Amino acid sequence: DVKVTQSSRYLVKRTGEKVFLECVQDMDHENMFWYRQDPGLGLRLIYFSYDVKMKEKGDIPEGYSVSREKKERFSLILESASTNQTSMYLCASSSGQGRQHEKLFFGSGTQLSVL
Amino acid sequence: ILNVEQSPQSLHVQEGDSTNFTCSFPSSNFYALHWYRWETAKSPEALFVMTLNGDEKKKGRISATLNTKEGYSYLYIKGSQPEDSATYLCAGGPASNTGKLIFGQGTTLQVKP
Repeated sequence: DVKVTQSSRYLVKRTGEKVFLECVQDMDHENMFWYRQDPGLGLRLIYFSYDVKMKEKGDIPEGYSVSREKKERFSLILESASTNQTSMYLCASSSGQGRQHEKLFFGSGTQLSVL
Repeated sequence: ILNVEQSPQSLHVQEGDSTNFTCSFPSSNFYALHWYRWETAKSPEALFVMTLNGDEKKKGRISATLNTKEGYSYLYIKGSQPEDSATYLCAGGPASNTGKLIFGQGTTLQVKP
């Protein structure tokens, strides 16, 4: 079975802490994405990457950064967590650099609470 | 920016009912349309990806159609079962071909036994 694995299912952090969310895929996919899901809103794209060491801002990048040192791993970093970053975070991957007709494979999500 | 809208927001049906949801998007800026099913405590799972006007795809009791000229897609579920209870997400890929998908807010379906 192909897999996108997120390191934590639930995470509780304090305001101001630096938070790392890790995502690993085993499908040799070029594209990797970080989304957040909030009630009443669709999945919103934070950052994405088409290749190793490459990153592009999505629609809501403020307060986040990413790292892609290896093809299979895409990390989301909250430099200084704030309460408005409490959310469900979803990682996804797809094949074919930059092509929207390739379906996304999702991880199971990390529910982050910032207190 | 591509805006993707889904309706209704939520739906409650009885087991055995057939149902459908709508996803609308600006027809002038379209490349691909995705449907995903997201069951509670699981990962969203791809149902269909469509790119051509008039596309129809089917997976068991679930089917989808695409009209790129008028900017909408329908998802149909025939004879709903309790295991169909989930949030159904659609996402559009803009014509700029950057790989970014814009997701709608989702339609949450509850099927009562």
